[in-house]
Formats: sequence, C-alpha cells, structure tokens
Amino acid sequence: DVKVTQSSRYLVKRTGEKVFLECVQDMDHENMFWYRQDPGLGLRLIYFSYDVKMKEKGDIPEGYSVSREKKERFSLILESASTNQTSMYLCASSEDRGVLGNTIYFGEGSWLTVV
Amino acid sequence: GQQLNQSPQSMFIQEGEDVSMNCTSSSIFNTWLWYKQDPGEGPVLLIALYKAGELTSNGRLTAQFGITRKDSFLNISASIPSDVGIYFCAGRQGGSEKLVFGKGTKLTVNP
Repeated sequence: DVKVTQSSRYLVKRTGEKVFLECVQDMDHENMFWYRQDPGLGLRLIYFSYDVKMKEKGDIPEGYSVSREKKERFSLILESASTNQTSMYLCASSEDRGVLGNTIYFGEGSWLTVV
Repeated sequence: GQQLNQSPQSMFIQEGEDVSMNCTSSSIFNTWLWYKQDPGEGPVLLIALYKAGELTSNGRLTAQFGITRKDSFLNISASIPSDVGIYFCAGRQGGSEKLVFGKGTKLTVNP
C-alpha cells in the first residue's frame, strides 16, 4: 500500500513564525503535491514537484515555498505565518505514468492554526 | 483554478438506501478519481477510472467514466452508517500532472 506520511497532525504557531510541514512517501513516486483544504473552497493546490529539486506553482502559491531535496520528501514552508494560513494542509504523491493517467494518494493531513 | 461541478452538495439518507452522486465539467478529462474523506483525515482513494465508458466496482461502490469524458458518477448501494463522510471527485486533463477537484458531496446516513 502507498504510504504518505505527514510529520505533524496538529500545529499551533504564532503570526510571523516560520513553519515547516514535512511529507514523506514510500512508493518512489515522482510527483508530490501540497494542497490546502478550507470549508467551502475545497482542495486548492499550493505547489507541486515532478522531480527532485523541481517545483511548479499551483493555484495559490503566495506566502508559501517548497523544498524537494530527496525524491521521497517534500516540504512546505510558510516563511512568515499569517492567520489566513490557518487551514488543513494535505500532502499527496503520484507515480508518473504519462498518458496512462496517474492516481494521487493523500497523507492524513496537518491542521495548522496560526494565532 | 478550475473546479469540477459536483452534485449534490449534501445528502441525508436512511441506512440501506442507494446513493448516487456525479461530477461534470465543460472540459475533457482522461482520468477520473473518486475519494472519501472522514472528518479530520486525508482523502482516501476509492476508485480510479482511466478510459471513457469504463465501469468499475469496489465492493458496494460503482463508478463510471462518462462516454463524453466530461463526467463521472459514483453509486453506493445499500448504504451503512460508516459510509458517512465527504466524497470528492477529481479529474486529470491530458498532459497535466495536476488534478482538478469537485467541492465534495457530504453524505449522512441515518441508522
């Protein structure tokens, strides 16, 4: 079974703090993603990475950065946390199957509260 | 970003009833995925569809990839209380690694 593990389930941070959310997958997947999920807005893509050291902006990258130094690990960084970044953050990964279509697997989520 | 039109937004049913929900789009997709999310947890993949017209079952769940490639539906037969949760559809367009998501259908099952 695919395993996507997010290091922290629940975090409380202060405004202005630098926040790191870590994600590890154990299936040697090429693609990794960070989403945030908010009531009424659904899942929104922040960043994704299709290879080590490669990244692309998603729909809402402002206020976030990412790091992928190793294939299995994808980190989301909030350089200076703000209250509007209070949300549930979901990491995901998928195999690169090209035109065959990919299936994305999600982690359990990280609840971040910024006070 | 683009989103899929998922309906209904919520459903309240009695245990034992069948459930149907669907997703539509104005664009063509080459992959349709259905997920279930329990409160406080990440989405769990239920069914993946890769070909137009494909009909796939997973236990009491059945999903179909629409012939036009612009829609998909998910049916749940003989619902039970543990079916409660939010069901999401997701689609992938050709050449893109990113998924487009519906906003979810919240299912409540009354015992």
